[in-house]
Parts: sequence; structure tokens; C-alpha cells
Amino acid sequence: DTAVSQTPKYLVTQMGNDKSIKCEQNLGHDTMYWYKQDSKKFLKIMFSYNNKELIINETVPNRFSPKSPDKAHLNLHINSLELGDSAVYFCASSQPTPTGELFFGEGSRLTVL
Amino acid sequence: AQTVTQSQPEMSVQEAETVTLSCTYDTSESDYYLFWYKQPPSRQMILVIRQEAYKQQNATENRFSVNFQKAAKSFSLKISDSQLGDAAMYFCAYRSAGIGNQFYFGTGTSLTVIP
Repeated sequence: DTAVSQTPKYLVTQMGNDKSIKCEQNLGHDTMYWYKQDSKKFLKIMFSYNNKELIINETVPNRFSPKSPDKAHLNLHINSLELGDSAVYFCASSQPTPTGELFFGEGSRLTVL
Repeated sequence: AQTVTQSQPEMSVQEAETVTLSCTYDTSESDYYLFWYKQPPSRQMILVIRQEAYKQQNATENRFSVNFQKAAKSFSLKISDSQLGDAAMYFCAYRSAGIGNQFYFGTGTSLTVIP
């Protein structure tokens, strides 16, 4: 009964392709996030949605497009993949109250060849 | 923006010994929340411990405790009686109580536990 689930767990693809990662949470949280973790393990916020509305959009190439069909889902679509996009992408959710911790998915490892 | 600094990229500890991981942060806010997350090789991010800035008492969870020094903006994690399963990356995180409630993460400390 996974709280935050993301699929697929692994993607291997060629440069120039388009790929999507899906995320779903069953915690009833209002806020969802996408984080990128690079090879040095740095965690960088990419996007944040609150009740389907975009509230954080860090400096991310516009090849990355998040979509939130409802507050339980936040998908990430990446166009024209580049080598530098190789990373682990984490979906997370939380309540918007400051006491709320982040609940993370298991991560999706994207490898661009 | 708030910054979170973990000055120890790597640490090691003997099994059953105690280790302290450092974290400092920069903020002008008076109300905020601090967290330590653990990321084992499985890569799942797991909450270890949480501290509310308005509480003077240091948080404790079993073998894990924090030393929260608000004036010094310091939030270190102490792991007592270290176990092999404690080997992981540890991330310090700050959550603003203000608009957006954004989380800010440190760069992580890789902890090795030596049998």
C-alpha cells in the first residue's frame, strides 16, 4: 500500500527521445513536488503543485513539463532528452502546513544514452 | 532564499559508536521546521527526525537525537550505538513556515559504518 508511487522505476533511452514519469499519492496531500537528484546526490526542487496549481517552478528547461490532472497525481514529461538529464527523479508530497514532512516516492532513474 | 549547509561530505563510525552529523542553515525567519532524511543504497528517502524551531527541547527518536541551537542556526544529528543499517546518505532539510512552505536541502553527508 505504497503512499507515493512513481513509474517507471528505471528508464533507459536515447538522446532526443521524449519520456514521461508518472506519480500518484494516496495520502490525501494537497502539495506534490518533483525533485532531481544528480550523480553527486544533490537534491534540487524542480516543480511544486498545490491542489493542481503550479506554485514553484525553478529554473528548469522548458523541455520539462509537469502536469497535474488532480491533486493525487503529478506527472513529468520530458521532451528532446539530453545527456545531462540523466539523474534520479523523485516525486514527493506533503501537506502545505509547515509541520508536514515530505513523503518521497522510490525515485525513477533516467539514463540518457 | 534559505541555504542549508552540510560541511561533512563523508563521515565514518565504528559499529556501536556514536557519530554526529553537522548542519547549519541561514534564514531570517523565526518560525520554521528542520528535518533529517536518510537515503540508504535502496535510494528511498526516509524521514529520520523532525524539529520545530519554536521548541527548545531537542527532538529524539530512539537512537537518533538532534542538537538544535537556534541562535547559532545549527541542527546536528547524533546517532548513538551505530548499526550497519545506518549506513546511508543523510540530508538536512529546512522548511519555511512562510508562503510556499518550500523545502531546502543540504548537499548530504555519506555515512559509512565500519563493522
